[in-house]
Amino acid sequence: ILNVEQSPQSLHVQEGDSTNFTCSFPSSNFYALHWYRWETAKSPEALFVMTLNGDEKKKGRISATLNTKEGYSYLYIKGSQPEDSATYLCAFEGSGYALNFGKGTSLLVTP
Amino acid sequence: ETGVTQTPRHLVMGMTNKKSLKCEQHLGHNAMYWYKQSAKKPLELMFVYNFKEQTENNSVPSRFSPECPNSSHLFLHLHTLQPEDSALYLCASSQDPLAGAGVFGPGTRLTVL
Repeated sequence: ILNVEQSPQSLHVQEGDSTNFTCSFPSSNFYALHWYRWETAKSPEALFVMTLNGDEKKKGRISATLNTKEGYSYLYIKGSQPEDSATYLCAFEGSGYALNFGKGTSLLVTP
Repeated sequence: ETGVTQTPRHLVMGMTNKKSLKCEQHLGHNAMYWYKQSAKKPLELMFVYNFKEQTENNSVPSRFSPECPNSSHLFLHLHTLQPEDSALYLCASSQDPLAGAGVFGPGTRLTVL
């Protein structure tokens, strides 16, 4: 099992605030880095799959960057809305089929 | 509508019971997965099936027995479980196993008494 760390563990912001959180992962044997959003009582939803160093992906107000050499990825949410409240999971994919998940960052956005 | 369905959504069982979890997808995916999420722990991969063949068993105890009769259905047979096996069990599928687990089901919340 590879060490995938996410920080902070939880975050509480006001509507309209921009926020970001971090996923750190092993920098060797890198294949892909996945981000998921997991809302309470729903299935995890895939946000991004990132494979190249320097990759930047964007989906609406959410974007992510990737640094495979130093082993980290940032997820940014611009102008947070209450519907962004969820747990954001990152998962490291190395060789083989296993995705190694972090524990997630739990985001609460209040009006 | 996630495209991956799981039944039952909640299950309470005793340690001597035998039960099965079911997962179904009609997305045309070839790979299916079982994940376990215990409280305050990361998601853990349990099993991977590719074209109905098991390609990975992540050191899972034999009291968990997967079955993949076809590429649309995946089962997890449970017997003589322990209370520490209480967790959320998630099924997922993807086009191929190298793509990672693309679509997740809603999970089965299992409680072992």
